[in-house]
Amino acid sequence: EDKVVQSPLSLVVHEGDTVTLNCSYEVTNFRSLLWYKQEKKAPTFLFMLTSSGIEKKSGRLSSILDKKELFSILNITATQTGDSAIYLCAAGSQGNLIFGKGTKLSVKP
Amino acid sequence: EPEVTQTPSHQVTQMGQEVILRCVPISNHLYFYWYRQILGQKVEFLVSFYNNEISEKSEIFDDQFSVERPDGSNFTLKIRSTKLEDSAMYFCASSWERGLTDTQYFGPGTRLTVL
Repeated sequence: EDKVVQSPLSLVVHEGDTVTLNCSYEVTNFRSLLWYKQEKKAPTFLFMLTSSGIEKKSGRLSSILDKKELFSILNITATQTGDSAIYLCAAGSQGNLIFGKGTKLSVKP
Repeated sequence: EPEVTQTPSHQVTQMGQEVILRCVPISNHLYFYWYRQILGQKVEFLVSFYNNEISEKSEIFDDQFSVERPDGSNFTLKIRSTKLEDSAMYFCASSWERGLTDTQYFGPGTRLTVL
């Protein structure tokens, strides 16, 4: 059975801290690994990764994929209270996305 | 910036009633999806749709569910006879390509409450 596992499930940090969120996957016909940020409602797209070892960056966020070990990490540096959200990892397989349960990040001032 | 829109934002219905959830995907996208998220649980794939037919569907998407693209812009999810366990947030998503080399953009969701 296809599965995506995220860790930790929740995380509380203070502003300015750096965090690393983990995602491992076992998915048949794996195509891509996506990260989304979910605040109040819809998941909003952060990154899509298809190749191993190539870091993608957007401001203070970065992500990398390891297709040999079947995992990805999402790093957030110099966290801000606005980073508080649930971060979802999803594996793309034959067109549909298989989501993990998410990591709930709380950034305290 | 183009975005996926969904209506209504919240739908309350009685058990056994039919509901239709509506979505307007991003205009040049070709692939459309429905997902649901039961409160406190993970986002789950329901169905994907391309070229006016279902491409894939999950085991959740049973005979009570159907999808349609009635015109060039709308994409609908119908639940024929709602059950209490259908209460969830339903997200529509669209993508240019079949999720292989492109991302899926999500709408704001419709919260369905079945009483």
